[in-house]
Amino acid sequence: GAVVSQHPSRVICKSGTSVKIECRSLDFQATTMFWYRQFPKQSLMLMATSNEGSKATYEQGVEKDKFLINHASLTLSTLTVTSAHPEDSSFYICSARERGGREQYFGPGTRLTVT
Amino acid sequence: GNSVTQMEGPVTLSEEAFLTINCTYTATGYPSLFWYVQYPGEGLQLLLKATKADDKGSNKGFEATYRKETTSFHLEKGSVQVSDSAVYFCALSALEGWGKLQFGAGTQVVVTP
Repeated sequence: GAVVSQHPSRVICKSGTSVKIECRSLDFQATTMFWYRQFPKQSLMLMATSNEGSKATYEQGVEKDKFLINHASLTLSTLTVTSAHPEDSSFYICSARERGGREQYFGPGTRLTVT
Repeated sequence: GNSVTQMEGPVTLSEEAFLTINCTYTATGYPSLFWYVQYPGEGLQLLLKATKADDKGSNKGFEATYRKETTSFHLEKGSVQVSDSAVYFCALSALEGWGKLQFGAGTQVVVTP
């Protein structure tokens, strides 16, 4: 149980385009989802927290107009990187948590490369 | 604010050696503590957890004990295998802030045959 999937696992896009990453909880209802960014050989940086049906809360320094997060249902959250640039290339990881739970379940990550 | 400090890597050791990765934390209240493992090219997997003082989390031969008096959660394994080569992250989750995870910097472990 407690499986989180991400799609796509890898994506390459051209500079200036937008790309959407999906995060799904497959066997539980995720009232809260988190989006992280991980640079090579570094720790995870929390980008934003989203609760189902409400706007995401972004961490300091994260541009909310660039990283659009939508948590439209209890099993799906999306991260859209708008007008992507090479510096947005990174490993993006989502996690999901059930109502009242403390544990986060992580997706396998999405490798974004912007050329 | 909350923070997690873990020993820097890489840690290189031979198969069957004893592994310790130190982790200390700063937090208000009573956080839950976690160790996550990340194998090359993959996302994070929960390795073990402890939710209150003196709890011992264990999994796959790894152990860590929640020590409130020393604010520590050191990870140990008595005999490592090559397949244990990965990056290990210590993390805490507090009730406030929707239980956001605060990660340490990660420690890369390399086990050689």
